[in-house]
Amino acid sequence: DTGVSQDPRHKITKRGQNVTFRCDPISEHNRLYWYRQTLGQGPEFLTYFQNEAQLEKSRLLSDRFSAERPKGSFSTLEIQRTEQGDSAMYLCASSSTGSSTEAFFGQGTRLTVV
Amino acid sequence: AQTVTQSQPEMSVQEAETVTLSCTYDTSESNYYLFWYKQPPSRQMILVIRQEAYKQQNATENRFSVNFQKAAKSFSLKISDSQLGDTAMYFCAFSPYQTGANNLFFGTGTRLTVIP
Repeated sequence: DTGVSQDPRHKITKRGQNVTFRCDPISEHNRLYWYRQTLGQGPEFLTYFQNEAQLEKSRLLSDRFSAERPKGSFSTLEIQRTEQGDSAMYLCASSSTGSSTEAFFGQGTRLTVV
Repeated sequence: AQTVTQSQPEMSVQEAETVTLSCTYDTSESNYYLFWYKQPPSRQMILVIRQEAYKQQNATENRFSVNFQKAAKSFSLKISDSQLGDTAMYFCAFSPYQTGANNLFFGTGTRLTVIP
């Protein structure tokens, strides 16, 4: 297994465009998380899936953001009508069931909105 | 609400020396986990060390150890025999104990540079 994979690694888009990112978790992990990291800050939690169910969403996740995990495997994060404030690193992490299990992170997708 | 504070934006240490990174947190939870994550330049975040709040014994992982002071809500990371590969951003993180998600709340990070 190659760990958590995110695609693309970098994305430059014009303001107002829609973008979609993909995350492939470690295969046996049933939990998947999305975080956003802006420059000089730590990652901030966006949303969490257990299998295909989206169980928690942060208030940071405005209605322009939507995440899916249709078959309980890979996940997509879509941002509609992007704004310059959406420029950030979007990190995906996965873990197996259990409160103390380690979350493994992908390398992230860096979004730049121009 | 949970908050994690890292008051040292940047630190440096000579190779082979010891350095301590500070972290404080605030929570009303009684059961939780604390973590230190390392984020090397352009690479993914990896777990360095984890501490369960109900355990009084400080966690250690090879050259990495923590000083967990639950009453003071302090969780510092000590890196012994620093190596060039330790150069990275270090994030302190908190996770409330829940049977469901283990969402992480991160501090703003400390950029550590190991000087040859």
